[in-house]
Amino acid sequence: AQSVSQHNHHVILSEAASLELGCNYSYGGTVNLFWYVQYPGQHLQLLLKYFSGDPLVKGIKGFEAEFIKSKFSFNLRKPSVQWSDTAEYFCAVNAAGRRALTFGSGTRLQVQP
Amino acid sequence: EAGVAQSPRYKIIEKRQSVAFWCNPISGHATLYWYQQILGQGPKLLIQFQNNGVVDDSQLPKDRFSAERLKGVDSTLKIQPAKLEDSAVYLCASSLEAGTGINEQFFGPGTRLTVL
Repeated sequence: AQSVSQHNHHVILSEAASLELGCNYSYGGTVNLFWYVQYPGQHLQLLLKYFSGDPLVKGIKGFEAEFIKSKFSFNLRKPSVQWSDTAEYFCAVNAAGRRALTFGSGTRLQVQP
Repeated sequence: EAGVAQSPRYKIIEKRQSVAFWCNPISGHATLYWYQQILGQGPKLLIQFQNNGVVDDSQLPKDRFSAERLKGVDSTLKIQPAKLEDSAVYLCASSLEAGTGINEQFFGPGTRLTVL
């Protein structure tokens, strides 16, 4: 069975700091990878996704993620965070050919002004 | 484009009572999912429908949970009887694709269930 690990449970940063959130998955086959974000009081929204091709994918609001197949990782990055990035971030995986997502436990990001 | 609608938004019940949640997916979306999100955890799939057929219900506690998607549109999820450990947010999501392949899921606001 596939699983997803997010090792950072709670991250506190100051505005303009750089962000990197870790995500590792366990599955031996081809996968699709996602980052979802949940802003306070709002529902889950897709931030970015990787299916194939360039392992560096860019999403909304200046976020990007890099798929490193050899490390089973899909880390999320942003060079300079803003207060409005305060939210919970979830990494998710689905095996190619299977649509349901397996989520990590989430990382709560708090950006201080 | 209207998003995924869910109701109610909040529900408080006592253990052993029954409860039902409703979901209306985005128009035209063939696939519908119910996830359970316990506090401090990521969403966990309960059941997946494609049109009105069940694709995956391997993680649904079938002794107390049931779900249906009549006419391939709206869906209801029921818990009977509820246990304390069922306290969670129940998320509904839908996606357009009917076949295998790329899948972007759109989530509703969720129903927060508290079992006392």
